[in-house]
Amino acid sequence: SQTIHQWPATLVQPVGSPLSLECTVEGTSNPNLYWYRQAAGRGLQLLFYSVGIGQISSEVPQNLSASRPQDRQFILSSKKLLLSDSGFYLCAWTRLAVNNEQFFGPGTRLTVL
Amino acid sequence: AQSVTQLGSHVSVSEGALVLLRCNYSSSVPPYLFWYVQYPNQGLQLLLKYTTGATLVKGINGFEAEFKKSETSFHLTKPSAHMSDAAEYFCAVTQYGQNFVFGPGTRLSVLP
Repeated sequence: SQTIHQWPATLVQPVGSPLSLECTVEGTSNPNLYWYRQAAGRGLQLLFYSVGIGQISSEVPQNLSASRPQDRQFILSSKKLLLSDSGFYLCAWTRLAVNNEQFFGPGTRLTVL
Repeated sequence: AQSVTQLGSHVSVSEGALVLLRCNYSSSVPPYLFWYVQYPNQGLQLLLKYTTGATLVKGINGFEAEFKKSETSFHLTKPSAHMSDAAEYFCAVTQYGQNFVFGPGTRLSVLP
């Protein structure tokens, strides 16, 4: 069966510090991968998605970046965090078929102080 | 472009009462529709999905939803609410299985 991992689960960082969040999928190959952010009391905002190694599409211009160094690994990064980067970050994957749902990881709670 | 609206950011029902969470979408081609549930500080879990075929879809935890093309709706229902149903619910749509669009979510409260 497939599983998706995210770490860390929680993170408290000062403004201006770097960020690296990791997402790993097990039990499947060549998934589409996604990063979402949930601000407090708001819906999901798609940040990045990837259809393959090294292929990243950005949905919202911001100080965040994403990379996919391996088939089942998706990393969200920032060189300098802003207060507005606080939120709940969710990674998701889907199989390469038009009618398949997304499977979500457990999320990372980021607080920028 | 696709979009999803969920009427009511917060819905309260009594335990044992009918749950109705509304979802309307816009899509230029036949969509695939999903309902997800999110408990506090957790990821989203799929409740049910509509792809093709029968328009009444049954999901986990006693939930079901009906795809109505003429109304561009995919409302979620449950005959009898349970305290454990209290959570955030998201409706989502995709056309080609690559880009998913989520609604803003509806927080369901279940009163004893």
